[in-house]
Amino acid sequence: GAVVSQHPSWVICKSGTSVKIECRSLDFQATTMFWYRQFPKQSLMLMATSNEGSKATYEQGVEKDKFLINHASLTLSTLTVTSAHPEDSSFYICSARTPGLAGGPLREQFFGPGTRLTVL
Amino acid sequence: DQQVKQNSPSLSVQEGRISILNCDYTNSMFDYFLWYKKYPAEGPTFLISISSIKDKNEDGRFTVFLNKSAKHLSLHIVPSQPGDSAVYFCAARGSISGNTPLVFGKGTRLSVIA
Repeated sequence: GAVVSQHPSWVICKSGTSVKIECRSLDFQATTMFWYRQFPKQSLMLMATSNEGSKATYEQGVEKDKFLINHASLTLSTLTVTSAHPEDSSFYICSARTPGLAGGPLREQFFGPGTRLTVL
Repeated sequence: DQQVKQNSPSLSVQEGRISILNCDYTNSMFDYFLWYKKYPAEGPTFLISISSIKDKNEDGRFTVFLNKSAKHLSLHIVPSQPGDSAVYFCAARGSISGNTPLVFGKGTRLSVIA
């Protein structure tokens, strides 16, 4: 399957600082990437959908100014958690969608390994 | 309102036996369903999927069954192996073309006991 990487895999930061998480599709071009967040023992919650070259679409309840998403190229999307607070501590996972297959509409989502953010 | 529900947070099965993980959904617009497996501190990995035009899809030890009238699907793993121990997420989306994002259940933690 397609490979998606995330960097860093874990980060600890002080309250009030900003943290940038990178998501890369390594062997395919992803016109759409998704950012999810998972709290312990909870489901993956979609935060936003990121389309290359355009503004991200945020889910209800997700603050656009706090979670800045930039999808500058077909292989890279970044999520910046601005002025992070302890309640932002979570596991952030990105997903990239493969292009549609010729002769078939199916497009799969492949997930990165996730980034564990701890805000002190 | 949770559109995809996995009502069993955990399941323990003996090695060699069948594991059955269940998933219910409420949105009748969903027409494509997927199962993902997730280890701690890792992203989910795709296991198997099924479209709404089918009622069964099989891939090796993994079989997914879909009952559209009941809005229910299940993942069968047989025989279960210790390496299958992980959290399994059921996911659904409203378009087989992939134009809508996946909606996930809360997951079921499967423990396969040797």
